[in-house]
Amino acid sequence: SQKIEQNSEALNIQEGKTATLTCNYTNYSPAYLQWYRQDPGRGPVFLLLIRENEKEKRKERLQVTFDTTLKQSLFHITASQPADSATYLCALGAYNFNKFYFGSGTKLNVKP
Amino acid sequence: KAGVTQTPRYLIKTRGQQVTLSCSPISGHRSVSWYQQTPGQGLQFLFEYFSETQRNKGNFPGRFSGRQFSNSRSEMNVSTLELGDSALYLCASSLVTSGENEQFFGPGTRLTVL
Repeated sequence: SQKIEQNSEALNIQEGKTATLTCNYTNYSPAYLQWYRQDPGRGPVFLLLIRENEKEKRKERLQVTFDTTLKQSLFHITASQPADSATYLCALGAYNFNKFYFGSGTKLNVKP
Repeated sequence: KAGVTQTPRYLIKTRGQQVTLSCSPISGHRSVSWYQQTPGQGLQFLFEYFSETQRNKGNFPGRFSGRQFSNSRSEMNVSTLELGDSALYLCASSLVTSGENEQFFGPGTRLTVL
């Protein structure tokens, strides 16, 4: 069965540094990958989508890469701020929305 | 534009009971998906509805069911509740069939089964 792995340990970084979160997957060839942010007590908020034929995408301070050979996506937050502290989830799916899976998320703590 | 709303926000039930959760999508959105979130299993896809039809279903037992009305509002029902059904139930809406399209999540319903 498919498996999606995100760092289960919290990532602690200093304000201003670049945070890098990892999403690895096995036994699956997704058509696209999404990243979401979730704050305590709230539903996830969509951040970025990258398709299988795209290697990189950027949105303001966010950057995501998608390596279908390594079966890995990297999510970068540059010039991180304490307000970026949250849990970040990756999700993979097929175009017809069949087989849509979320990772367990990585908690990011940005210290001032 | 109002976001996705879910009612109730909190619910306490006992084993064997059944429960119905409600989700109102963003106006104009026709796709509604349901997810279960637990600390151990993370976010798991339950099912997706589009134009009152279930289009996709995750790997959950038949005790979990749902429906969508003509106004796109959706309900999820869990029968014969078990302790393991305690979770945060999230619904998400999108303009058309979800997945690749951005999904907008509601705040969730926290279900506790005693």
